[in-house]
Amino acid sequence: DADVTQTPRNRITKTGKRIMLECSQTKGHDRMYWYRQDPGLGLRLIYYSFDVKDINKGEISDGYSVSRQAQAKFSLSLESAIPNQTALYFCATSDFDGGYTDTQYFGPGTRLTVL
Amino acid sequence: SQQGEEDPQALSIQEGENATMNCSYKTSINNLQWYRQNSGRGLVHLILIRSNEREKHSGRLRVTLDTSKKSSSLLITASRAADTASYFCATPGGAQKLVFGQGTRLTINP
Repeated sequence: DADVTQTPRNRITKTGKRIMLECSQTKGHDRMYWYRQDPGLGLRLIYYSFDVKDINKGEISDGYSVSRQAQAKFSLSLESAIPNQTALYFCATSDFDGGYTDTQYFGPGTRLTVL
Repeated sequence: SQQGEEDPQALSIQEGENATMNCSYKTSINNLQWYRQNSGRGLVHLILIRSNEREKHSGRLRVTLDTSKKSSSLLITASRAADTASYFCATPGGAQKLVFGQGTRLTINP
């Protein structure tokens, strides 16, 4: 979905390096999410944010941090990358509909390789 | 948190045939969603079915929900090569979050 963009799309880095993945959205949604996907597995939630002042840990937040710079921007950082953080990372947004779990809109993903 | 589990993990059929994949979950939900992921790309929302609905259609997609069995199925009729993708069910995981299953990898053979 072109409304949710992620940079970079591919990144190769070395163990111990700090890396930041960026996500921007033009959908005007308050809610943003970071997931990782490993081969053959579903998506696992790393962090999520329901507005600029709200940051919450997901199920696998260890080794990651996030920053919600604005409604439209949500960045994921790996302070000291390790090989088992090699994965496909997705950013998503949603707009709560007031009653039911909201539909999520995903970015194209960032393929991260940690050597 | 609960998680949907898709079955089968992989499915290979001929173009034109129907594809059915299933999702089971553990606790009561108020809705269930299905998403599609083309290889290496982001997920795309397909359909949402609410707990008071038993069946829902969208084009060639038919989704059913059986809350008594805690299961849902996604049927794709008259499959096309472009339907080759992974399909995920997603259920509410508390605090308006979604929990995704591991997916069914569908291959449509020409």
